[in-house]
This record gives sequence, structure tokens and C-alpha cells, in this order.
Amino acid sequence: DTAVSQTPKYLVTQMGNDKSIKCEQNLGHDTMYWYKQDSKKFLKIMFSYNNKELIINETVPNRFSPKSPDKAHLNLHINSLELGDSAVYFCASSPQGAGGYTFGSGTRLTVV
Amino acid sequence: KQEVTQIPAALSVPEGENLVLNCSFTDSAIYNLQWFRQDPGKGLTSLLLIQSSQREQTSGRLNASLDKSSGRSTLYIAASQPGDSATYLCAVVGRDSWGKLQFGAGTQVVVTP
Repeated sequence: DTAVSQTPKYLVTQMGNDKSIKCEQNLGHDTMYWYKQDSKKFLKIMFSYNNKELIINETVPNRFSPKSPDKAHLNLHINSLELGDSAVYFCASSPQGAGGYTFGSGTRLTVV
Repeated sequence: KQEVTQIPAALSVPEGENLVLNCSFTDSAIYNLQWFRQDPGKGLTSLLLIQSSQREQTSGRLNASLDKSSGRSTLYIAASQPGDSATYLCAVVGRDSWGKLQFGAGTQVVVTP
């Protein structure tokens, strides 16, 4: 199946821990993104990578560090997790230019 | 700064009625506009993508129009079914946004049998 896949689907962890979320796309898209959906269900961009280069860093705390080993993968590492980081994190990809987005199914992060 | 607004925030209709969902955006300099559907606890499913040069797109019972000059898009869903119950999200990619999707807050739709 051609898709954007992210793991894990659910992540429950304690404050202060470090965690990673992985994302892979097999659509051949050049650009990958991380979006955050908060408790009010509003979606906002965090990062964008184009061919492994960081394009957008949308005033996200530096505890969040994206890593793109190749253009098909974009992982998100979060250090020193805080209660306020609890949210659903979506990975997405799009082709170069004005193509449409494809989203992953999301990772629900709960910090306790 | 681009702002995207969706009205109404929630909508409940009986099965068989047509649905009309509205989306407005403040900056008409966009590459495209995309409509998504999100089911509770699930990811986003792309419904329709309208490029800035297009006026509308259709897929089955779904039709989306785009009036770039007035900053509006409308999603029509014909003959609604209970399976259409979901949150519908509108998002635009601005010309100076490096591909960033700017989302509206969504319209929550309930179709009652």
C-alpha cells in the first residue's frame, strides 16, 4: 500500500522522558512534515523537510528535534517531555510544487 | 498572515439532506486548497484538492468550489448518509508559505438516520 506510516500509534510516558516517533512514506514525495493537533483539535505545522533539508521550523521548543535520514523518512525526537506536549502528532508528505498532502494516521502522545 | 475560518463549527442533518460546508481564507495568494475528513481518533483523509487555477473539483457525491478572489470555498455533499458523520477540515497552501498547510478549525457533521 502506498501511504504515510507512522509508529507508534499510541505513546504513554512520564514527564522528563525522551521519546521518538517514526514516519515513513513510500509515495516518492519530496517534502515531509510534522503537524500537531492540540486538545481543541486544531492542526498546526511544526516542521517541514524537503529532500532531507529543513525548510520550516515553526517556533517549536528546541526539545523537539526532527531528523530526516533520507527523503522517505522523517522522525521526531522529543526530549524532556512535559505535560503540555500531550497531543496527537501527524506526519504528512506532499510532492514538489502544488500537490496535495497525504497524512499518516497519527501518534497520540500522553505525558503523565 | 493567512487565516482560515470554517462555518458552521457544527452541523446536524437528517439522512438524505445535502450538506453545505463553508471555508473562507484571508489571503487569496494560494497554491491550492484541500478538503479533508477526520473521523474520531483517526487520521486525515484527503477528499478533494483544488488548484488555484481551478474553480471546482468533483468526486462522487462530493463537489468543492473555489472562489479565490473572494477567499471562499464550499464543500457540497449530496444525499448525506450516516457514514458521512465526521469532522471536515479545509486547508490552504499559501504562495509564500513553503508548502505549509494552514487549517481551519473544522466543521463537525452529524448525519442522523
